[in-house]
Amino acid sequence: SQQGEEDPQALSIQEGENATMNCSYKTSINNLQWYRQNSGRGLVHLILIRSNEREKHSGRLRVTLDTSKKSSSLLITASRAADTASYFCATDGPGANKLVFGAGTILRVKS
Amino acid sequence: SQTIHQWPATLVQPVGSPLSLECTVEGTSNPNLYWYRQAAGRGLQLLFYSVGIGQISSEVPQNLSASRPQDRQFILSSKKLLLSDSGFYLCAWSVMAVLKTQYFGPGTRLLVL
Repeated sequence: SQQGEEDPQALSIQEGENATMNCSYKTSINNLQWYRQNSGRGLVHLILIRSNEREKHSGRLRVTLDTSKKSSSLLITASRAADTASYFCATDGPGANKLVFGAGTILRVKS
Repeated sequence: SQTIHQWPATLVQPVGSPLSLECTVEGTSNPNLYWYRQAAGRGLQLLFYSVGIGQISSEVPQNLSASRPQDRQFILSSKKLLLSDSGFYLCAWSVMAVLKTQYFGPGTRLLVL
């Protein structure tokens, strides 16, 4: 079964607004990552947060992690039309050589 | 710097025909390699991963197989394609052990008719 589950499945906002996407997972993790995928392209790594971290920033991205609730959120501030893409969270597990990806959130930023 | 290549970019194949998709990585040694399939508008399904030459782990029983004949080459194959094999196939690599961040190729869109 999937480890990460994102919500909402789709999000449509106006340029300049903030976009928040959430991810829940089921088992213990070493870290949680967020990836972005433009339509018809490969995924691009955005940010990684370790299990002992609560918040991390990178440019307009802010990621939070609550291991007690087994959830994470990705906030994109001051969104741009170019942020239109699908966003996936991915989790690992102890000793695992692989990541498990959620179903993704489709973000559309209207200009 | 590291780069990952996949080809072809698009492929249309008849049902029952064979398949061979190739993925190569440059600029790194002994990477973990991964094959994923993505149905339209859906998440990624891990098909196979490899931690070394000749070492393949299969995640989902299916009509496909994978091979790693060289350190930086990963091949996805099928002897007879099914309609359900249609999808977007992504190859990825990661540095063994560390943070497991994966780096993806551009993908191959396969349509089986």
